Amino acid sequence: DAKTTQPTSMDCAEGRAANLPCNHSTISGNEYVYWYRQIHSQGPQYIIHGLKNNETNEMASLIITEDRKSSTLILPHATLRDTAVYYCIVRSMYSGGGADGLTFGKGTHLIIQP
Amino acid sequence: DAGVIQSPRHEVTEMGQEVTLRCKPISGHNSLFWYRQTMMRGLELLIYFNNNVPIDDSGMPEDRFSAKMPNASFSTLKIQPSEPRDSAVYFCASSLGRWNTIYFGEGSWLTVV
Repeated sequence: DAKTTQPTSMDCAEGRAANLPCNHSTISGNEYVYWYRQIHSQGPQYIIHGLKNNETNEMASLIITEDRKSSTLILPHATLRDTAVYYCIVRSMYSGGGADGLTFGKGTHLIIQP
Repeated sequence: DAGVIQSPRHEVTEMGQEVTLRCKPISGHNSLFWYRQTMMRGLELLIYFNNNVPIDDSGMPEDRFSAKMPNASFSTLKIQPSEPRDSAVYFCASSLGRWNTIYFGEGSWLTVV
C-alpha cells in the first residue's frame, strides 16, 4: 500500500472549518483513500473514503486532487469533540494489491480551540 | 446496531499469567481483525480472519500469542505467558468482506505487571 504523509499536529478554532491535508504521491489506480480518527481512549472511527471523486457524508468532506497525489479532509464546523488524531490511509481494494486491513501511520493530532 | 464488542475493557494481570481477550464482530461481518496499539509502535495489525479462517498472522509478535475464531460471531486473542511488554490496547475490528470498510471496537486495555 502507498505511504501517506500528514502534518504531526494542527489547531483549529471551534466553529471554523478544519482542513486536514494528506500527501499520497505514490498512490496507484486501484487504491482508495480512507480517513479514520481516534478520540482519546476510544477505538479508531471510520470517517469517509474515496477513490477519485470528492465525497461528502454527515461527518466530513473528502477532496481528492485530480492527479490523486493528495487529499484534504474537511470538517465543516469543528467542535471541541472533534479533537482527535486523524489518520489518512491508502488501501488497495483487491486481492494481491497489498496487505488486507489498514496500515496506520502516525496521523495528525487535531486540536480544536475554544 | 451494536458495534464490535470487546471484553474485558480493562485487565491488569501479573507476568506469566494467561490473558484471553474476546471479540464479537458486527453481525453479518465475515472479516475480523486484531490490532495492537502502543505509544512506541502505534497501531499494528496482528492477524485477520476471513470467514473464520486465519488469512495472515504475520503481525503476531511471537508464539506466546494465538488467535482463534471458532464461529462467525466470536474470536479470542490469547497471550500465554504474558510479559510486561505486552501491555497495550488491543483492538478488534470487523468488516463485511475483506476489502470493505473496517469498524473497530473500543479496545481492551491490558496491563501486565
